[in-house]
Amino acid sequence: DVKVTQSSRYLVKRTGEKVFLECVQDMDHENMFWYRQDPGLGLRLIYFSYDVKMKEKGDIPEGYSVSREKKERFSLILESASTNQTSMYLCASRGYTSGFNEQFFGPGTRLTVL
Amino acid sequence: DAKTTQPPSMDCAEGRAANLPCNHSTISGNEYVYWYRQIHSQGPQYIIHGLKNNETNEMASLIITEDRKSSTLILPHATLRDTAVYYCISSTSGTYKYIFGTGTRLKVLA
Repeated sequence: DVKVTQSSRYLVKRTGEKVFLECVQDMDHENMFWYRQDPGLGLRLIYFSYDVKMKEKGDIPEGYSVSREKKERFSLILESASTNQTSMYLCASRGYTSGFNEQFFGPGTRLTVL
Repeated sequence: DAKTTQPPSMDCAEGRAANLPCNHSTISGNEYVYWYRQIHSQGPQYIIHGLKNNETNEMASLIITEDRKSSTLILPHATLRDTAVYYCISSTSGTYKYIFGTGTRLKVLA
């Protein structure tokens, strides 16, 4: 089974802190994604990476950066956390599995910024 | 990628079929319809996808209209564990990203 794991299920940080959210996948997928999920807004794409050291902005990249130094790991960085970044963060990887490209999601990290 | 619209919520009695509609009237010829669901406090999980033909797997059936402007996800015998938010997405198979709407919140009632 594909496994996408995220470093924390719950995280509480203070305004202005630098925050790292880590995501690891074990299926050798090239594509990885970071979404945030807020009530009434669904899932919104922050950044994605289609290969090591390659990244593309999604729909809401402001206030975030990412790092992909190794194929299995994709990190989301909040340079200076703000209260409006309180949200559920979901990581996903995508690969050719069972005959088509499928996205597999991690369990999510619920981040609270005080 | 085409935009999809879904009803915000639905109820279904346990043991009955749950039919979840999705409208994708602007879908193009090479875009697939994907369905995912998200159970509370978990990440979305793939259910099924299709292009033109109806599809069935161990989880659900997908019925796509002939003009491909709409589709219906069918859970043949809904259980309480099927209570979740269901997302319908249309996308080409080669695209990097899916656009998730707000989905349909299905509540299965005992």
